Amino acid sequence: EIVLTQSPGTLSLSPGERATLSCRASQSVSSSYLAWYQQKPGQAPRLLIYGASSRATGIPDRFSGSGSGTDFTLTISRLEPEDFAVYYCQQYGSSPLAFGQGTKVEIK
Amino acid sequence: QVQLVQSGAEVKKPGASVKVSCKASGYTFTGYYMHWVRQAPGQGLEWMGWINPNSGGTNYAQKFQGWVTMTRDTSISTAYMELSRLRSDDTAVYYCARDSSSGWSPLGYWGQGTLVTVSS
Repeated sequence: EIVLTQSPGTLSLSPGERATLSCRASQSVSSSYLAWYQQKPGQAPRLLIYGASSRATGIPDRFSGSGSGTDFTLTISRLEPEDFAVYYCQQYGSSPLAFGQGTKVEIK
Repeated sequence: QVQLVQSGAEVKKPGASVKVSCKASGYTFTGYYMHWVRQAPGQGLEWMGWINPNSGGTNYAQKFQGWVTMTRDTSISTAYMELSRLRSDDTAVYYCARDSSSGWSPLGYWGQGTLVTVSS
């Protein structure tokens, strides 16, 4: 069973700044089957990135994903006001599927 | 367009069961696995399992084996998740979510969530 650990727990930044979120897996994620989701209060999660680095449909290019094996990163190049939310990584290459515990990106 | 519409909020007593529905539209229901994910208040996302709507086959997270049942009715394009022997710590929002594509796939479409409150 793969366990995902996200860091930091909370990221305090200002609009326009760059956000770098980390997701580390306890073992190698098969074929980079790693996704990132954004969740805002009272809403369902929204898929941002899949396959570690591919943007989902309609996702702005300020969101980018990278990494392989056990270390993955979500980068938001310039934070917009609507980007302040909680972000989760998820591995979907082996069962059981697993989510990280989340990183909250808050306004500084 | 793909839509997943879930049933409304539920309040249950400890020891009872709850059954949440997820009605799909905008695509071929039997073509994509349906997952269930829950989120306790202020907590993260927890994967519960999936159902293959075509075959009815299921795969449950070990934690939920023996007390979750996922079923489907293909005639009305609806998936169900039933959780039995409810406890207070089962209070959560329960989401259905569909694979983006066939095979190993992220969860590209989500229902709006169903709040299940377990309280005496």
